[in-house]
Amino acid sequence: RKEVEQDPGPFNVPEGATVAFNCTYSNSASQSFFWYRQDCRKEPKLLMSVYSSGNEDGRFTAQLNRASQYISLLIRDSKLSDSATYLCVVVRANTGTASKLTFGTGTRLQVTL
Amino acid sequence: DAGVIQSPRHEVTEMGQEVTLRCKPISGHNSLFWYRQTMMRGLELLIYFNNNVPIDDSGMPEDRFSAKMPNASFSTLKIQPSEPRDSAVYFCASSLFSGMVYTGELFFGEGSRLTVL
Repeated sequence: RKEVEQDPGPFNVPEGATVAFNCTYSNSASQSFFWYRQDCRKEPKLLMSVYSSGNEDGRFTAQLNRASQYISLLIRDSKLSDSATYLCVVVRANTGTASKLTFGTGTRLQVTL
Repeated sequence: DAGVIQSPRHEVTEMGQEVTLRCKPISGHNSLFWYRQTMMRGLELLIYFNNNVPIDDSGMPEDRFSAKMPNASFSTLKIQPSEPRDSAVYFCASSLFSGMVYTGELFFGEGSRLTVL
């Protein structure tokens, strides 16, 4: 089983729709979680961190479910400019060394008129 | 402020040739990461350095790949000899890391797109 798994999509949604992605992780020792956004042929950029209590940034809401080992990203009122690939990142401490970051393969979102 | 700078942006080479990719991290960052991205496998961590020391190179595919970080402002990823299956986008990223658990943000360069014929 992969350490981090995402549905590759694509998710095709109309403008104004609400869409949600999940990301599951296999290692219960994972400690930190992030969502990154990657536009076509560009580098990934941090979208938001995911806190245990859940957090919101404008139209974006991230949540963590430790019991079921997944994180989620909810986008409300989708815009054309939200079209991108969304990558989840799971971080865990490496034994005796620094942390290990693992990226999911990403979920592609296409918002249409 | 300048971001992470990678060169070359594009490289087309023939099988068997040596390829050297370069990265200048953000000044003040103490962690540097090399990733490879393909459609099939997504973003794969090849190696990362903390304070110029390689911490985890378990992602380096084989002996044809090597990475160095001679100082805090420069790193190279070398492939020798290159093969068609090495074709991918190679990203360098840097971060400020403190303590045992990473809690900060990775800043990526624009990537080096490698095509091996």
